[in-house]
Amino acid sequence: EAGVTQSPTHLIKTRGQQATLRCSPISGHTSVYWYQQALGLGLQFLLWYDEGEERNRGNFPPRFSGRQFPNYSSELNVNALELEDSALYLCASSFKGGSTANYGYTFGSGTRLTVV
Amino acid sequence: AQTVTQSQPEMSVQEAETVTLSCTYDTSENNYYLFWYKQPPSRQMILVIRQEAYKQQNATENRFSVNFQKAAKSFSLKISDSQLGDTAMYFCAFKGNNNDMRFGAGTRLTVKP
Repeated sequence: EAGVTQSPTHLIKTRGQQATLRCSPISGHTSVYWYQQALGLGLQFLLWYDEGEERNRGNFPPRFSGRQFPNYSSELNVNALELEDSALYLCASSFKGGSTANYGYTFGSGTRLTVV
Repeated sequence: AQTVTQSQPEMSVQEAETVTLSCTYDTSENNYYLFWYKQPPSRQMILVIRQEAYKQQNATENRFSVNFQKAAKSFSLKISDSQLGDTAMYFCAFKGNNNDMRFGAGTRLTVKP
């Protein structure tokens, strides 16, 4: 069974540009979560999508946005990139939120975004 | 809002010895779930162990066990017979009714040969 896949592995952008990160969940998982992990820091919750809808978002500005497609894959878009957006962006998936709440998440290997 | 605190930024242990990583959390919820994740240099987050708050019995997974103290809101991870492959960042995480998981800042564990 394929795990959570993220693309690209690395991404280098210039300040002010837009970045698009992609995530494919495990088959059968309908929830996708995005986290930002700045160098040496913990995971900061960004966004949660379930069945195509945004269910919750963390304390990030509106230029962080995303969507979930009918096949449950997801995109994270970061507009007007700033230097401090440089981080590892992790995607995770799980079964429908709330129905099997004791399950942990399965994580992808992340996209390393560097803003220069 | 729930917060998760890991007060030990770094720890080290000799191979084959036992180490305990600390975690405390703050919540007003009664039913929730707690997790420990491991992040080796490969960056892949790996679930180590999980605990349901309604269960009094501490979870155990081979060499990994937890000490869950609900009243104290404490959830520590004990690693027995430490191995070199246990070297990683360890994150404590909380998941409550709103389902999104919140993480602590992590503890960097180094197992020394």
